[in-house]
Amino acid sequence: NAGVTQTPKFQVLKTGQSMTLQCAQDMNHNSMYWYRQDPGMGLRLIYYSASEGTTDKGEVPNGYNVSRLNKREFSLRLESAAPSQTSVYFCASGRGSGYTFGSGTRLTVV
Amino acid sequence: AQSVTQPDIHITVSEGASLELRCNYSYGATPYLFWYVQSPGQGLQLLLKYFSGDTLVQGIKGFEAEFKRSQSSFNLRKPSVHWSDAAEYFCAVGRHSGGGADGLTFGKGTHLIIQP
Repeated sequence: NAGVTQTPKFQVLKTGQSMTLQCAQDMNHNSMYWYRQDPGMGLRLIYYSASEGTTDKGEVPNGYNVSRLNKREFSLRLESAAPSQTSVYFCASGRGSGYTFGSGTRLTVV
Repeated sequence: AQSVTQPDIHITVSEGASLELRCNYSYGATPYLFWYVQSPGQGLQLLLKYFSGDTLVQGIKGFEAEFKRSQSSFNLRKPSVHWSDAAEYFCAVGRHSGGGADGLTFGKGTHLIIQP
């Protein structure tokens, strides 16, 4: 029962480096989401994808890009990491009354 | 756009005492409402959700929540807390667009501390 799988679980980047966070789901969901979690801020939506081939900005998209590679996979890319992007990132899939979250990626930018 | 307010940043409760965590939402139609719990360094665990029907919803770990449309509230309750309930609690509202992605809007969370 994999659900939503995120890789890596932890990552340390230097300012200016790039990286891609991977997310895959086996729930056959059309919709997928990327959130970031910061202390005292809850989870905020970065980008989402309603279906394969479509992506849309959420509340805090600046500094990020996404790719919906296929129905299963939705990746988040940081082209030039900044300390303000230090956060815990969660991927999710689903819609309506049911969502499944990944276990998160803890990213530190130094 | 929808929004969620959790008025209490921190709440301290004695073990065995009752608990109520407040959540108010803003949404133009009947919302989908969720409560999640997060232990330190862990992911999100769904406690319960409301999307229709009975306004009193039962969840896991002995939690319940009541949807009150007139007050735009969805407060979480537990009659007797255990030390293992210490965690961060998030209320969330989901939109239902009728097509495409929906997504959740989260409150900022309430940190629950349990006193022995």
